[in-house]
Amino acid sequence: QSALTQPRSVSGSPGQSVTISCTGTSSDVGGYNYVSWYQQHPGKAPKLMIYDVSKRPSGVPDRFSGSKSGNTASLTISGLQAEDEADYYCCSYAGSYRVFGTGTKVTVL
Amino acid sequence: QLQLQESGPGLVKPSETLSLTCTVSGGSISSSSYYWGWIRQPPGKGLEWIGSIYYSGSTYYNPSLKSRVTISVDTSKNQFSLKLSSVTAADTAVYYCARGRGAFDIWGQGTMVTVSS
Repeated sequence: QSALTQPRSVSGSPGQSVTISCTGTSSDVGGYNYVSWYQQHPGKAPKLMIYDVSKRPSGVPDRFSGSKSGNTASLTISGLQAEDEADYYCCSYAGSYRVFGTGTKVTVL
Repeated sequence: QLQLQESGPGLVKPSETLSLTCTVSGGSISSSSYYWGWIRQPPGKGLEWIGSIYYSGSTYYNPSLKSRVTISVDTSKNQFSLKLSSVTAADTAVYYCARGRGAFDIWGQGTMVTVSS
């Protein structure tokens, strides 16, 4: 059970959009519509931002959106804000198991 | 609102068993709508799913840890627990408990466990 592959880092200026990819296999990302995304600020617990590929929990800004194509899921942050600077992790159901991504650091320039 | 709080020793000796408890407040652990899980994060590294337990009592573990992990629930105390045996320095991490409803929607604050003699 290998970790899902994410870019190590992405960056953007305030107001811009950034997209984080999450690549797995047909046994996890590609096999189920159960991909979630978590935001983690330093020293804090992760926070759920997207579930079931593209659904947003109550209270999460609509600047955050998710999608999936084949074995790759994506998180897009539109209208980047300073408070979006954090680590982001994807997670996929893999048939009774869960597997997290390697994590991506988002930097707001 | 529902809250989760991890508790347990912050220091464990190599080869011993790490034991942590997650206390659920503001809601019942017995709800069939949810499952409960443990996730860990070594210092400076990413998240790793350890395992989950469902209302039915079914448990699912990370294959890489399966031989050393046990997750159980105590409904009378509204708690669930993690036991990880034969620990080494590689098990040093922040350990989180979380509620699952599809995804992990509510997390505890995490507790740091160091494995050292």
